[in-house]
Amino acid sequence: AQKITQTQPGMFVQEKEAVTLDCTYDTSDPSYGLFWYKQPSSGEMIFLIYQGSYDQQNATEGRYSLNFQKARKSANLVISASQLGDSAMYFCAMREGGNEKLTFGTGTRLTIIP
Amino acid sequence: NAGVTQTPKFQVLKTGQSMTLQCAQDMNHNSMYWYRQDPGMGLRLIYYSASEGTTDKGEVPNGYNVSRLNKREFSLRLESAAPSQTSVYFCASSDLEYNEQFFGPGTRLTVL
Repeated sequence: AQKITQTQPGMFVQEKEAVTLDCTYDTSDPSYGLFWYKQPSSGEMIFLIYQGSYDQQNATEGRYSLNFQKARKSANLVISASQLGDSAMYFCAMREGGNEKLTFGTGTRLTIIP
Repeated sequence: NAGVTQTPKFQVLKTGQSMTLQCAQDMNHNSMYWYRQDPGMGLRLIYYSASEGTTDKGEVPNGYNVSRLNKREFSLRLESAAPSQTSVYFCASSDLEYNEQFFGPGTRLTVL
């Protein structure tokens, strides 16, 4: 079974609109962390946001927020007021227990339309 | 701080050739990783090192070897390159103190 599932291979969104990128995960470990990374066309991996399984509040970082629904095992990334520079691949990833290894999803390619 | 550096940035090999990808970090992190990225597959872990002197296999270790030379450096070796190893390779480092893995810029490897 896939540990991280990103069901949207590609998305097109109008500039200034909000966008939600889906991520579901599968783990039996009560302690885990969820990450989102952005990969622009230049290729580097840029860390966006982190959510711990015991965190009471949804994580936010500027225009990025993580809609964490523990019972549904989902950790969707919400980007508010999208910009042309948000066009990129977005990867969801998970760390389980005390292990620092990350398991990545297959990614979603987001394209912002002017 | 340079963060995580990788050399080379690009490499073309012929089938059967060997090469070593170099990675170094200057953040004093204990853990280091090698991933490969293929279209439609996301990043997959090849090997990782939780501390100096230790290495462990990840999801796709076949055809690769690693060396954790010291706390800063973690190299990935292809002994006999195959076309299936054409990929983009990322090195990363982390420490439990931080909720983030820091990535290098990647090496684009083509095996003909």
